[in-house]
Amino acid sequence: GAGVSQSPRYKVAKRGQDVALRCDPISGHVSLFWYQQALGQGPEFLTYFQNEAQLDKSGLPSDRFFAERPEGSVSTLKIQRTQQEDSAVYLCASSPSGSIQYFGAGTRLSVL
Amino acid sequence: GENVEQHPSTLSVQEGDSAVIKCTYSDSASNYFPWYKQELGKRPQLIIDIRSNVGEKKDQRIAVTLNKTAKHFSLHITETQPEDSAVYFCAASRSGAGSYQLTFGKGTKLSVIP
Repeated sequence: GAGVSQSPRYKVAKRGQDVALRCDPISGHVSLFWYQQALGQGPEFLTYFQNEAQLDKSGLPSDRFFAERPEGSVSTLKIQRTQQEDSAVYLCASSPSGSIQYFGAGTRLSVL
Repeated sequence: GENVEQHPSTLSVQEGDSAVIKCTYSDSASNYFPWYKQELGKRPQLIIDIRSNVGEKKDQRIAVTLNKTAKHFSLHITETQPEDSAVYFCAASRSGAGSYQLTFGKGTKLSVIP
C-alpha cells in the first residue's frame, strides 16, 4: 500500500504563528515517530507513540511543541508561537513493531 | 544518552569503485543499527540494517559489518553507480527496551563520479 504521507510538504509561518503538521502512517503500523532534521544534519528524535499512547516525548525541545495521535492512526505535531530556530524539516516515521522505521518525505517548515 | 559519530562527512569515488562509511556509537545497550539513504528533498530510505547478534549482513552490492566490542559499524558499497550518489545516515537504537528512538549520525554525502 501507500507509504507514510505527510502534509503539508512546505509550510511558511510568520514568527509567533501556530502550525500543525500531519502524518498518515502506513496502515496497521502500531508505532509512530516524529523527528526534526536541520539543514545538513541527521534527523533528531522528538517523540514516539505506540497506538494512541505517547510513550516517549523526551526529544521535544520545549513546551511549545505538542504531538497527539488520538485514534492510534493519524498524528499531528503542533508548534505554538513559532520561532526562527524551529525552521527545519519535520519527518514522521511509522513501524509495525518499533525497530524498522519507514519515513515520510517530511514537512519543510520555514519561520520568517 | 546515545551518541553516534559518522565519518567521512563527504566521499567522492569513481564509478565502479567501492565506498566505505564508518560509524561509532557510545551506548553498549544499543542493539539495532540501520542505514538510510536520503536523496535531496526526499525521504530517508532504509537500505540495510543489522542487529547486535549478527556480525555481517549483505544485500547485493551493499554490506554492513558490526563490531560490538569496539562499538563501531560500517557500510560497504561495491561497484558504485551514479545512482548511489546521496547522503547516507547511520543510526543506532535500543530496540525492544521500550524506547525505539533512532539516534542518527550527521551523514555522509557520497558522490559517484561517472
